[in-house]
Amino acid sequence: LAKTTQPISMDSYEGQEVNITCSHNNIATNDYITWYQQFPSQGPRFIIQGYKTKVTNEVASLFIPADRKSSTLSLPRVSLSDTAVYYCLVGEGSGGGADGLTFGKGTHLIIQP
Amino acid sequence: EPEVTQTPSHQVTQMGQEVILRCVPISNHLYFYWYRQILGQKVEFLVSFYNNEISEKSEIFDDQFSVERPDGSNFTLKIRSTKLEDSAMYFCASISGGYTEAFFGQGTRLTVV
Repeated sequence: LAKTTQPISMDSYEGQEVNITCSHNNIATNDYITWYQQFPSQGPRFIIQGYKTKVTNEVASLFIPADRKSSTLSLPRVSLSDTAVYYCLVGEGSGGGADGLTFGKGTHLIIQP
Repeated sequence: EPEVTQTPSHQVTQMGQEVILRCVPISNHLYFYWYRQILGQKVEFLVSFYNNEISEKSEIFDDQFSVERPDGSNFTLKIRSTKLEDSAMYFCASISGGYTEAFFGQGTRLTVV
């Protein structure tokens, strides 16, 4: 299982773009990069998944360089409600398959007015 | 949007008692999971369930724990002889296939006193 490293916490302000970078130097060829979001006292929620280059959905963008040893989750124009913990996970599937998901400590993003 | 539902949202139990946490996964999903999150700590995988049997389990999931899918909709986690250290949020999750994203329930907060 590829180990991931991401900042423990980040601060930003409403309306700003926030970029959270995750490093995964030992990513395997079959691995995908998946990001989940967790609000206090709620279960994690899938945000986005990618394999290489760039993926965009209605919530976020995910940038993956050619060597795939890192990835950056980009949240455009954040609001107070984006305050949450963001987890970067690497594995063959975004749901974990039979082995389930291995969560790290994640990045606690705090958005201020 | 389909969702995973868990009951109860909060359960208080005395040490040594048995508790059953209940989950209704999304109806056409194939893999079901239980995770736990001790306050302030990581989300930890407990067990995965596929085709009416345990697929994988972590070292946390010892003989104190058991899972069951008693009918076509419910998925339960039983904790026998609860201990103080079992106090945590317990999340149920499900996925539709081996490589798809996980959908988590809102969790059951278990407090052992």
